[in-house]
This record gives sequence, C-alpha cells and structure tokens, in this order.
Amino acid sequence: DTGVSQDPRHKITKRGQNVTFRCDPISEHNRLYWYRQTLGQGPEFLTYFQNEAQLEKSRLLSDRFSAERPKGSFSTLEIQRTEQGDSAMYLCASGTGYEQYFGPGTRLTVT
Amino acid sequence: DQQVKQNSPSLSVQEGRISILNCDYTNSMFDYFLWYKKYPAEGPTFLISISSIKDKNEDGRFTVFLNKSAKHLSLHIVPSQPGDSAVYFCAAVDAGGTSYGKLTFGQGTILTVHP
Repeated sequence: DTGVSQDPRHKITKRGQNVTFRCDPISEHNRLYWYRQTLGQGPEFLTYFQNEAQLEKSRLLSDRFSAERPKGSFSTLEIQRTEQGDSAMYLCASGTGYEQYFGPGTRLTVT
Repeated sequence: DQQVKQNSPSLSVQEGRISILNCDYTNSMFDYFLWYKKYPAEGPTFLISISSIKDKNEDGRFTVFLNKSAKHLSLHIVPSQPGDSAVYFCAAVDAGGTSYGKLTFGQGTILTVHP
C-alpha cells in the first residue's frame, strides 16, 4: 500500500491556460474525492466518484472544471481557461468507508 | 455558511501537557466526525473518528469527545509532544441521505507544542 499519490505536486500556469491533475488512489478503494484548499481554510469538497461513476459535484465546480475516473482507477481533474481565483491546493482522497485518506496535493498557482 | 467551526486559530502548549482542540457544528444531520492532522506541504492525515452513537473514542494519546446536545466535539492529546505541532482539522459527515460521505471541514487550529 503506497498511499494516495498526486501528480504534479506543483503547477504554475498563466491565466487562460488549461491544466490537468492526476490522482492515483489506494488500489482497493472504490470511493474517490477531490477537494480544494485555500490559505487559512479547511479543504472544500469538489466532487465524488464511486468506482467510475461521478455521483456528486459541488456548486464550486464551475463549467470550467471537469473530472473523470475511467475504469474506476486513477482520476483526473481538468481546469480550462484558468483564472487567478483557481490558485489553491487541490487534494485527492480515497476510502471505502467514512475515513478518507488524502494524497499530498497539487499546488496550483495561476499568474 | 460555515457548518463546522474551529474558533481557535491557534493553540500553544508545553511538552508533556494536555492539548485540547475544540470544534462546533451546526448541521444536526452530521452523524460521524473525524480529526485530521496536516503538516506543511502534505495532505491531511487521518487521526481518529467518532460516530454519533458514542460520546468518547480513544486511540493511544488521542481521545475524541462528542457532546451531541451541544453540537460540540473536542480532541485531547495527552501527553503532547513537539512532533504533534501541526494544523488540526475537524471534519463531519452526514452519513445518511445522498451526501456520499463527503467531508465538511472546519478552518483548522494550529497547534504548537514547545519543548
């Protein structure tokens, strides 16, 4: 068990560019979550997958955001036409019950 | 609206003493609660949890207390160690309905344990 991994760990992009993040959950976990954390706040829920099905999306997830989990394994989160307000830590978590295990996060900076 | 609140942004404790971190919630549908610890540049690490059918759960140096009538929970760390210095987040789950287990987090409390 190597834990949840995320790639890249850091991403700097110019406003208007598209970015994609990857999350590899713990292999036996069927639940996968994406959260966003800004400075001084706790993580905020973005979206949830059970296996390959995306079952819930937060209103925080605008039309510029899309997430996938093909074959119920790894997941990707894409942000199109990035804005400075998208700068944050993007966290992925996986689990089978209520306890969720988080990856190290991807720090996005939009300049 | 902030459904989970940690009103103390920071807490400073001497090594060997007790650390008490507090958390309040407003949503009466929350019925499972968790504490996470976060070091800089790392993701949150699960510490301990409690179901609403219990009022106490203990795991080594960590004990979580739940007071449902007051909608309040606390994390006790005894004895505190310098390695416990981190940001601590309280989180809550609405285990029923269609919440799908998503966590609602508080803002976090920075714990500093001085040698």
